[in-house]
Amino acid sequence: AQKITQTQPGMFVQEKEAVTLDCTYDTSDQSYGLFWYKQPSSGEMIFLIYQGSYDEQNATEGRYSLNFQKARKSANLVISASQLGDSAMYFCAMRGSSGSARQLTFGSGTQLTVLP
Amino acid sequence: GAGVSQSPSNKVTEKGKDVELRCDPISGHTALYWYRQSLGQGLEFLIYFQGNSAPDKSGLPSDRFSAERTGGSVSTLTIQRTQQEDSAVYLCASSLGPLSTEAFFGQGTRLTVV
Repeated sequence: AQKITQTQPGMFVQEKEAVTLDCTYDTSDQSYGLFWYKQPSSGEMIFLIYQGSYDEQNATEGRYSLNFQKARKSANLVISASQLGDSAMYFCAMRGSSGSARQLTFGSGTQLTVLP
Repeated sequence: GAGVSQSPSNKVTEKGKDVELRCDPISGHTALYWYRQSLGQGLEFLIYFQGNSAPDKSGLPSDRFSAERTGGSVSTLTIQRTQQEDSAVYLCASSLGPLSTEAFFGQGTRLTVV
């Protein structure tokens, strides 16, 4: 079975500063993918960034980057230059490559609040 | 369409009635997922379809829940004899394949059982 752990129920960051949202995972699969989603108060799930387990470089998408440390099984999301519109719930998810592990498994989320 | 489409967006039903929720994935996407999200909670996996393979139903909470996917495209989630604890947002996602680097969600169906 695969598992995602997000240990920060809530985080605060000052506008224009960087923030790191933690995510650790557990899986027996050798090949897997890690995803981050943003869910604003409107409820939609917005795909942010993806990291494959065999990718040697950390994924980046604009102000989002994924700090992937495979040996530690962590996939932290870094948001640079925070904006007020970044206030939302953030979910980390993973997908394995075998059998039932191919479902997307989500963490419990981190509520980020950006302060003006 | 350009994105994952779910209907209805809102559904209010009486306890004991059956409901059907529809998901129209992105064209060409072979993987389709259903999730349930209760108020203020995370996403609970329900069922996963991949192409013509047998679906992974391991997340369905009871035999009142069932889902099908016709022609590898549109999916319907059916809840029979609805209970108040079924009230939640039901989210559908699709991806190009089982190893795709992206997975996109629909806007969800908010189900309220009264």
